[in-house]
Amino acid sequence: DADVTQTPRNRITKTGKRIMLECSQTKGHDRMYWYRQDPGLGLRLIYYSFDVKDINKGEISDGYSVSRQAQAKFSLSLESAIPNQTALYFCATGTARQETQYFGPGTRLLVL
Amino acid sequence: GQSLEQPSEVTAVEGAIVQINCTYQTSGFYGLSWYQQHDGGAPTFLSYNALDGLEETGRFSSFLSRSDSYGYLLLQELQMKDSASYFCAVRVESGNTPLVFGKGTRLSVIA
Repeated sequence: DADVTQTPRNRITKTGKRIMLECSQTKGHDRMYWYRQDPGLGLRLIYYSFDVKDINKGEISDGYSVSRQAQAKFSLSLESAIPNQTALYFCATGTARQETQYFGPGTRLLVL
Repeated sequence: GQSLEQPSEVTAVEGAIVQINCTYQTSGFYGLSWYQQHDGGAPTFLSYNALDGLEETGRFSSFLSRSDSYGYLLLQELQMKDSASYFCAVRVESGNTPLVFGKGTRLSVIA
């Protein structure tokens, strides 16, 4: 079984709709991250959490919100989706002692 | 702001050696990481340098010069499966800060 899972893997939605992307991990890591990837722009940080009670904005948090429901679960919401939020979204986990971040398989989102 | 520069594309021949450079301008520096991402896949960790010098892991090596704010990833004995995007990432502060990623270098290995 994958250590970091994301659901759904693909999603098509319409402008104005609220959607939620979910991330779960079995690695026991305390840190979780949401990134967005667009062609030629690399990985841009949306939100991150170092603990269940810790939520921090990243570089591009406008239009997004997150919830850390448990140590193993970190969800990303688009309250009112817009076409320029069409992108590939990755969840990642890590720890304070390790430099490695572990990425989920990604969610491909298309906003029409 | 934080800035990491790496070439957008590199092409190399199977069996050859290729170097992917990364220069950074950040408010702080604790270490440089490299990640590989195949088309349609997730980024996966390759290497990490906190100190100056060369770190070797099989066919891949990573180098860091803190005084020059520069590092590179060296891939030897290139194989077709090495065709992927490679991202450098900087840890700006110790402990509780996320990585800052470069925009990635797309490596194409040709026969």
